[in-house]
Amino acid sequence: AQTVTQSQPEMSVQEAETVTLSCTYDTSESDYYLFWYKQPPSRQMILVIRQEAYKQQNATENRFSVNFQKAAKSFSLKISDSQLGDAAMYFCAYRVPNYGGSQGNLIFGKGTKLSVKP
Amino acid sequence: DSGVTQTPKHLITATGQRVTLRCSPRSGDLSVYWYQQSLDQGLQFLIQYYNGEERAKGNILERFSAQQFPDLHSELNLSSLELGDSALYFCASSTTGQGAPLHFGNGTRLTVT
Repeated sequence: AQTVTQSQPEMSVQEAETVTLSCTYDTSESDYYLFWYKQPPSRQMILVIRQEAYKQQNATENRFSVNFQKAAKSFSLKISDSQLGDAAMYFCAYRVPNYGGSQGNLIFGKGTKLSVKP
Repeated sequence: DSGVTQTPKHLITATGQRVTLRCSPRSGDLSVYWYQQSLDQGLQFLIQYYNGEERAKGNILERFSAQQFPDLHSELNLSSLELGDSALYFCASSTTGQGAPLHFGNGTRLTVT
């Protein structure tokens, strides 16, 4: 069974600095998708970034980028120029491959709580 | 705004009762997913529907059931409620595109007293 592990329950970063959140996963599939979601105190689940496993190039979205190491099954999130609004719980997620015309569900890690210090 | 609508936002009920949570997916999305998030926990997958049919089941209790209607909205029914069922219940929807992300509603906060 696929699993997603986030080994850092909490992280802290100074405003304007860079922080990296770690995520590892386990799967026997060769084609899959990985995501990072952000959950601020409002409890909304907000998509941050998506990575396709067959693409070697790391995904980037403005200040957010990933370091995807397929062989190591590692998928870390780097936040550059951290802002106060980045404070949230961050969840790494693996998407079960698509079968039978529907999309598989997401398997989430337990999350990393990020604090941003002014 | 994700385009996924969940009602009600909050629900307070007593042990042993039954409640129904409702979800309207984004326009055009055929897949609906239900997740449970207990206090300070990650998201646990409950069940998935695709165009009215059940497609995958996760850690869903037998006291819980769900369905997706012809207009694609979905309902999650929770019965014989226990204190431990108190949680935030999310509905999400997605298109059928490969690797399409899930778009989440704002959740229903259930409190069982």
